[in-house]
Amino acid sequence: KAGVTQTPRYLIKTRGQQVTLSCSPISGHRSVSWYQQTPGQGLQFLFEYFSETQRNKGNFPGRFSGRQFSNSRSEMNVSTLELGDSALYLCASSFGPDTQYFGPGTRLTVL
Amino acid sequence: AQKVTQAQTEISVVEKEDVTLDCVYETRDTTYYLFWYKQPPSGELVFLIRRNSFDEQNEISGRYSWNFQKSTSSFNFTITASQVVDSAVYFCALSERGSGTYKYIFGTGTRLKVLA
Repeated sequence: KAGVTQTPRYLIKTRGQQVTLSCSPISGHRSVSWYQQTPGQGLQFLFEYFSETQRNKGNFPGRFSGRQFSNSRSEMNVSTLELGDSALYLCASSFGPDTQYFGPGTRLTVL
Repeated sequence: AQKVTQAQTEISVVEKEDVTLDCVYETRDTTYYLFWYKQPPSGELVFLIRRNSFDEQNEISGRYSWNFQKSTSSFNFTITASQVVDSAVYFCALSERGSGTYKYIFGTGTRLKVLA
C-alpha cells in the first residue's frame, strides 16, 4: 500500500496570504489528523477528520481550518498567515483508534 | 487528563553504547494505547511500536526493546548497540478514549545523537 502523501512538500508565503495543504491517506483509512510542529512548541494537534466530519479539534485560532472529502483526502487551510505559522505541518491517517501513520510533511515558511 | 512526559530533552551516546529513552504517561482510562515514533532529519514520523493497556509484555525487535510497566505508568524504549543511523528525535505518544473518540497526545520528544 502507498503511504500517506502530502503536497506540496515545501511552501514559501508572505504574511497575510492564505495557504492550502493537501493530504492523501493510506487507502482504506478514514481518519485523517493534522499536526503543527515547531521547534518551540513541539507537536501540536490541529484537528481530526473522520468520514468528512471534524471529530476533534485542537486549540488553534479560527484561521486554521480543514475539510475531508468523500475519498478521505483532506485539506487544511490557513488564512491571513502570520510569521508564527512557519512550521512543519504533518498529516496522519489511521484505520481505527490506534496507530497513526504519518506523511512526510509540508514545510511552510512565512516571510 | 492525559499527559506524556519525556524528561530527557537530548541524549548523546557513542556508537555501540546502549541507550534508554524514558516515557511516563498519565491517563484515567483503563483502555489506551502507547506508541513510539522516530523522526529522522527528513521530518517524517516513522511508527515503531504500539502497545495496548492490556498487554504488558515487553517487546524486542532487533536492537530495539520496549518495557511497559503499568505500575509506574512508564513505557521506556531501549536501543542496544546504538548506531549513527539511530540519530533522530523519538516521540512517545498516548491514545485514550475521551468523550467518545480517541485522542492522541505526544510527548515533547527526545533528541538522540549517536556519535561515531
